[in-house]
Amino acid sequence: IVMTQSPLSLAVTPGEPASISCRSSQSLLHINGKTYLDWYLQKPGQSPHLVISLGSNRASGVPDRFSGSGSGTDFTLKISRVEAEDVGIYYCMQALQIPWTFGQGTKVEIK
Amino acid sequence: VQLVQSGAEVKKPGESLKISCKGSGYTFTGYWIGWVRQTPAKGLEWMGIIYPGDSDTRCSPSFQGQITISVDKSVSTAYLHWSSLKASDTAIYYCARDDGSGGRYAPSHFDYWGQGTLVSVSS
Repeated sequence: IVMTQSPLSLAVTPGEPASISCRSSQSLLHINGKTYLDWYLQKPGQSPHLVISLGSNRASGVPDRFSGSGSGTDFTLKISRVEAEDVGIYYCMQALQIPWTFGQGTKVEIK
Repeated sequence: VQLVQSGAEVKKPGESLKISCKGSGYTFTGYWIGWVRQTPAKGLEWMGIIYPGDSDTRCSPSFQGQITISVDKSVSTAYLHWSSLKASDTAIYYCARDDGSGGRYAPSHFDYWGQGTLVSVSS
């Protein structure tokens, strides 16, 4: 499954919203009703960490300004009010089918 | 929960290598452990995943035959092994744990990651 993110880079003013799109080459809806799409953030110099799982579930400790939405093949990660600590590269990843695959990443910077 | 990986490696093409990922703070045998490669050119690539309880392993076709994923339950450690390295294996390698919410047969996302192991392969 091919994952395509857009944009590949994004410069945002603190306090303003940001949105990242992720499209998959086939539906990520499993017969069990779950959608196997996750979002990860890799901050500079760090390992990636989970932000959103199964399309819309915020990971433990993730601020509520982050939200995930979408279905089928089209997904969006939204940050309602970007803060300086949100900079880094955001990756979507599908876990429906082996091999799990990542998007190219979207680099988020502060203006 | 912690995943602690072995240190950076510098190797020559053709050499073998095994890097490790030690889990602690949870029941090691009950959660899938995966390996992810990161390079500037290709970004993040999922390599494979193993269930430590019974060593059930799923490997990406892109890496099949090139790597071996294994575990030693007695020391709560997962391994990634190459028998013959290539320059193109130069990358940062991360181990990561599935969160277990999908149960034994449906891993779905990594909730904890190791710090990464830099592997450099050059003649």
